[in-house]
Amino acid sequence: DTEVTQTPKHLVMGMTNKKSLKCEQHMGHRAMYWYKQKAKKPPELMFVYSYEKLSINESVPSRFSPECPNSSLLNLHLHALQPEDSALYLCASSYRTGDYGYTFGSGTRLTVV
Amino acid sequence: GENVEQHPSTLSVQEGDSAVIKCTYSDSASNYFPWYKQELGKRPQLIIDIRSNVGEKKDQRIAVTLNKTAKHFSLHITETQPEDSAVYFCAATLVGDFGNEKLTFGTGTRLTIIP
Repeated sequence: DTEVTQTPKHLVMGMTNKKSLKCEQHMGHRAMYWYKQKAKKPPELMFVYSYEKLSINESVPSRFSPECPNSSLLNLHLHALQPEDSALYLCASSYRTGDYGYTFGSGTRLTVV
Repeated sequence: GENVEQHPSTLSVQEGDSAVIKCTYSDSASNYFPWYKQELGKRPQLIIDIRSNVGEKKDQRIAVTLNKTAKHFSLHITETQPEDSAVYFCAATLVGDFGNEKLTFGTGTRLTIIP
């Protein structure tokens, strides 16, 4: 398995909703990431989980919260989002011994209404 | 933190000609420089990367060069084809002890191949 699987592919949510994005990889990678990508912009790092340690981009608002149940799964919990949070959310994984380079999932396109 | 600048923002090239995209980075400690290709509505895909102990790397029609002294690196695509049309992102990072890569991306180059 050489893929990072993200679900759902599309999500429309209201500003009072709570939802979760899911990400899974079975490549033995020990680091997993969440990136946010707005249209015509580069991906921006939100969170990194590496060897059970969380690293946060301090500019990310608290309405986004990551969860890493195990080394193969990474969730992103969403609560009370704003319309400006609408974007493509990309999960990625990296680092198998001797290997560098991310493998990105296909992303979740989120629309906040 | 790291800052990556990328030029040009758009590039149109006749099919069969070469394309060059350039990036500069600010943190001299960065040691890993990947390039990603992103087609419309799709995920970024790693196309080539280079580590700081190497000056050049080639993979078929794609090559990357790195000048650590000047802190810049470039992507070269030869014999361009219509399927090379996409947005290309450079990135830079210091790969840490635990292997995690907090990539800083350039602003992207929209490459259009003219048939």
